[in-house]
Order: sequence, then C-alpha cells, then structure tokens
Amino acid sequence: GAGVSQSPSNKVTEKGKDVELRCDPISGHTALYWYRQRLGQGLEFLIYFQGNSAPDKSGLPSDRFSAERTGESVSTLTIQRTQQEDSAVYLCASSLQGQGHYIQYFGAGTRLSVL
Amino acid sequence: DAKTTQPPSMDCAEGRAANLPCNHSTISGNEYVYWYRQIHSQGPQYIIHGLKNNETNEMASLIITEDRKSSTLILPHATLRDTAVYYCIVRGAYSGAGSYQLTFGKGTKLSVIP
Repeated sequence: GAGVSQSPSNKVTEKGKDVELRCDPISGHTALYWYRQRLGQGLEFLIYFQGNSAPDKSGLPSDRFSAERTGESVSTLTIQRTQQEDSAVYLCASSLQGQGHYIQYFGAGTRLSVL
Repeated sequence: DAKTTQPPSMDCAEGRAANLPCNHSTISGNEYVYWYRQIHSQGPQYIIHGLKNNETNEMASLIITEDRKSSTLILPHATLRDTAVYYCIVRGAYSGAGSYQLTFGKGTKLSVIP
C-alpha cells in the first residue's frame, strides 16, 4: 500500500532501556509529524519535519526524546532511558506542503509499553 | 484558530444518515473547517474539509452554514465501521511559516447501531 507505515506495531520494553520507532511516510510528502497519544487522551504534538528545514522540536517532552529524518524519507523517533510515563501510542503522519499541511495521513502507530 | 464545540456522543442506526454538528462561531474569513475521525486503536483519518462552499467526497458531505458559524458532517449511509470519534477542527490558511500540527478536542463519539 501507499500509506504511512510505522514499525514496530507494538513494543514492550523495560524501564531504562532505549527504544527506536520508525516511520515511512507517503512518497512525495515533504512534511512529517510525530505525535503521542496516551490512553483515552488526545494527540500530543512531538516534532515536525519539513524538507531540509530545521525541525520544530518544541513538543518533545524531555531531552530523552530525539528524532531524525533523512531528507524526505524515513524518520526515527528515539526514546532513551524509557520511563513508565512514556507508555503510549506513538503516531506518525505525513502531508504535502501549503494548505495540504492540514490534510495529514497517519500511520497505525506504535504501541509502546514500558514495564 | 477558532474554538469548536461538538456534542460528546451520538447514536445512528445502521444504513441511516449520520449528521454530526460542529459549532465554530468565532471562525474568521480565511479559516477552513476540517473533519477527521479516529476508529478505536487506529490512527486518525482525514475525512473532508471546506472553506465556505458545501463539499462532497467518497466518504462524506460537509455542509457549512452561510454565516460559517457552524457545519455538519454527513455520512449518508452509516455502517458499523463508521463507529468512531469524529473531530471538527478549524485551521487558518497556510502562512508559509511555523508548523502545522493538529490539535483535537474531545470530538463526538458516534456509535452506529445494528
């Protein structure tokens, strides 16, 4: 399919371990977003990439969180020294530029459980 | 961006039209209305958007009142798979700067009843 792909779909880790989550956006989409969604809660913005511009990292909750994107392709979100409060679904979305920014296509998410 | 108000929940019989209202009385002239939905355990899904004219696509129709203070999302023949939380959001025109993250309110939980 041509949708946004995220892996793994589920990740169980122990407190203190590092995890890496991957997102493959839709081909041709220059904008990429990472969000977090805790159980029963709304979307929480984490980080935004647009082409080769500097990313907007204003939503990252702590310096344990980082993300990279190579050009307009794959992105990885890394959480170091995971804590139990990091347990959530991590969603990736991609979009075109311009007004298309508000038409975001989401992946199925990675469900992270920190024990 | 203008605030939106939606009823917390609605029921709809399978096969009937589902009409989901949204109030956005403080909307300004260059702000668009977007609708998304989130089916349980899935990522949000874009449905439709509009500025002032009514819009229709393969998923739904969007009716925006003439004064633009409210809108209605119509699913013409609701199925069980349409059971989801539906979000109405208002966002301004693209300005070329900043990021464009989505912020959802509580939305309307639509239950399609067999």
